[in-house]
Amino acid sequence: DAKTTQPNSMESNEEEPVHLPCNHSTISGTDYIHWYRQLPSQGPEYVIHGLTSNVNNRMASLAIAEDRKSSTLILHRATLRDAAVYYCILRPLIQGAQKLVFGQGTRLTINP
Amino acid sequence: NAGVTQTPKFRILKIGQSMTLQCAQDMNHNYMYWYRQDPGMGLKLIYYSVGAGITDKGEVPNGYNVSRSTTEDFPLRLELAAPSQTSVYFCASSYVGETQHFGDGTRLSIL
Repeated sequence: DAKTTQPNSMESNEEEPVHLPCNHSTISGTDYIHWYRQLPSQGPEYVIHGLTSNVNNRMASLAIAEDRKSSTLILHRATLRDAAVYYCILRPLIQGAQKLVFGQGTRLTINP
Repeated sequence: NAGVTQTPKFRILKIGQSMTLQCAQDMNHNYMYWYRQDPGMGLKLIYYSVGAGITDKGEVPNGYNVSRSTTEDFPLRLELAAPSQTSVYFCASSYVGETQHFGDGTRLSIL
C-alpha cells in the first residue's frame, strides 16, 4: 500500500483557515486520496476525497498537486468543533473491500 | 438515523475470559469492517466482510473471530482475552466503492 506522511500536530485559531498537508510520493495512478477525521471519543468520519482535480464539499476543500505527490485539506473557517485527528489515506480505485490503512494522522488544535 | 451501532460502549475483562463485541448497521451496506485503535495510533483492520457468509482477515486478526450471518450484524469474538487486546474497537460499514461509516467504538480493558 502506498504510504502517506503528515505532520504529527498543527495548531490554528478559531475562524481562521487551516491547511493540512499530506505527502504521498509513491501514489499510483489509480489511488484516490481520502480524508477522514476523528473527533475526541468518536469513530472516524469521512471528510472528502479526490483523484486528480480539486474538490469542494460542505465540510472542506481538497487541493491536489499537479503531480499528485501531495495534497492539502483546507478548512476555510475553523471552529472549535474542527479540533480532531485528521487522516490522509490512499485507496486504490480497483479494490474489493475498502481496506483503509490509517497512519497516525495530524492532531489539529483550534484556539478560541 | 441509527447508522452503525456498537455495544457495549465500555467493558473490563479478566485475562482468559471471552466476550463478543456487537455491531449492527441499518443502512443495508454489504461491506462491514472491524478495526482496533491503540492509544495515540491510527486504526488497524482486524477482519472484514463483503456480505453475509463471507469474511476475511485484515492486518491483525490473531486472537479474534468473526461471523456474518445477516447483512445487518457483524459480531467480533475475543477468545482467551489477553492484555495486548486492550484497545478501542471500531466497527464500520460501506457500500462497495463508497466511503465507510463508523460506530462510536467499544472501549475494552483486559486486566
